[in-house]
This record gives sequence, C-alpha cells and structure tokens, in this order.
Amino acid sequence: AQSVSQHNHHVILSEAASLELGCNYSYGGTVNLFWYVQYPGQHLQLLLKYFSGDPLVKGIKGFEAEFIKSKFSFNLRKPSVQWSDTAEYFCAVLGGGYNKLIFGAGTRLAVHP
Amino acid sequence: SQTIHQWPATLVQPVGSPLSLECTVEGTSNPNLYWYRQAAGRGLQLLFYSVGIGQISSEVPQNLSASRPQDRQFILSSKKLLLSDSGFYLCAWSGLAGLSGELFFGEGSRLTVL
Repeated sequence: AQSVSQHNHHVILSEAASLELGCNYSYGGTVNLFWYVQYPGQHLQLLLKYFSGDPLVKGIKGFEAEFIKSKFSFNLRKPSVQWSDTAEYFCAVLGGGYNKLIFGAGTRLAVHP
Repeated sequence: SQTIHQWPATLVQPVGSPLSLECTVEGTSNPNLYWYRQAAGRGLQLLFYSVGIGQISSEVPQNLSASRPQDRQFILSSKKLLLSDSGFYLCAWSGLAGLSGELFFGEGSRLTVL
C-alpha cells in the first residue's frame, strides 16, 4: 500500500527565511502528488499538484514543489516566507481510483514576524 | 458555487453513546464523498468514500459506519463510541471529471469521547 512520510512535524521560521518541507512517498510506479494547506480557521485546500511533465510545480502564494523520482520525494519550497504562511501543510499521494488521497502526518509551520 | 457543510462542529460524548455526524454538499450533482479522520499527531486517514447514493466503501476496519441517503448527504455514525474514536473528522467531496486529486473539505467536526 502507498504511504506518505513528512519528516518535520513542527517548523518555526522568521519572516523572509527560506522554507523546505520534506515529503517522501512509498510507491515506485506512476504517482500523482499533492500539497494541501490548512490556514488557521480555514478549510483544508489544495496548494499544488504534480501529475506529469515538468517535475518543478508551481502553486499558489509563491510555493513550489519538486518531484524527484529517484529519491521518492516531493518537497515543498518557498524562497521567503511570510507571517501569513503560518499553517499546517499536508503532503498527499493519489491512492487509486475515485480520487482517494493518502495523506502524510502534516507539518505545522509557524512564521514569526 | 459549491459549498460543503458539516455539523456539529464540536461534540463531547461519553463512551458507549451513539454518534451521528452529518455532511451536505450544495451546488454540485453526484459528487464523490469522503470521510477522513485526523487523530492527534497523525495524518488524515481515509475512513469511507462513496461514489453514489447507497454506495459506501470502507477503507479501514473500525467502529464507525457511513451512509449516503441522498446524493449530497453523507453521514458518519456509530452505535457505541470508543475512546479511540476521538479525533477531528473531515468530510470532503470531489467531482467526477477524472482523477484530479482535488478534494474540497468541510470545516471539520471535533469529537471528544470521554
């Protein structure tokens, strides 16, 4: 069965610092990968996704993620974080039909002004 | 536009009591519907999904059940709650247009079993 691992459960950064959140998946075949974000008091929402093509995927709010097949990784990055990026971030993989998503444990990001 | 609502938002129940969490979707027809649970320190675990009225698939063995009595209504139930049922429950929907992987989530229901 597919699984997703997120290495950092809590990350604390100052504004303007660079961000990289790790995500590794277990499946060796074709994968579809996602990052979801939950801002305080808001619904969980899609940040970006990778299906095929360019392994560097750009999402909303300046986020990007790179799919590295040889490392089974899909790390999320942002060059300069803002206080408003404080949220919980979830990596996910499409686990079969019917849009079933398998999520990682999540990473709580706190950005201090 | 499409919206999704869950209720109640917060619930505190004694062990052995029944449970009913409701989820409704508006503005779309024949959506796929999902129940996820987030336990403390763990990721979102898919509990059930449904591709149509009366069609329920269970992903993990558990104390809970789900039903879909109407196209846009999804209900999570238990006859007798266990302590381990505590958690944050999220309902979600997706369209049928291929495997987009994009799910739209509700506000969540926090269940505490004492």
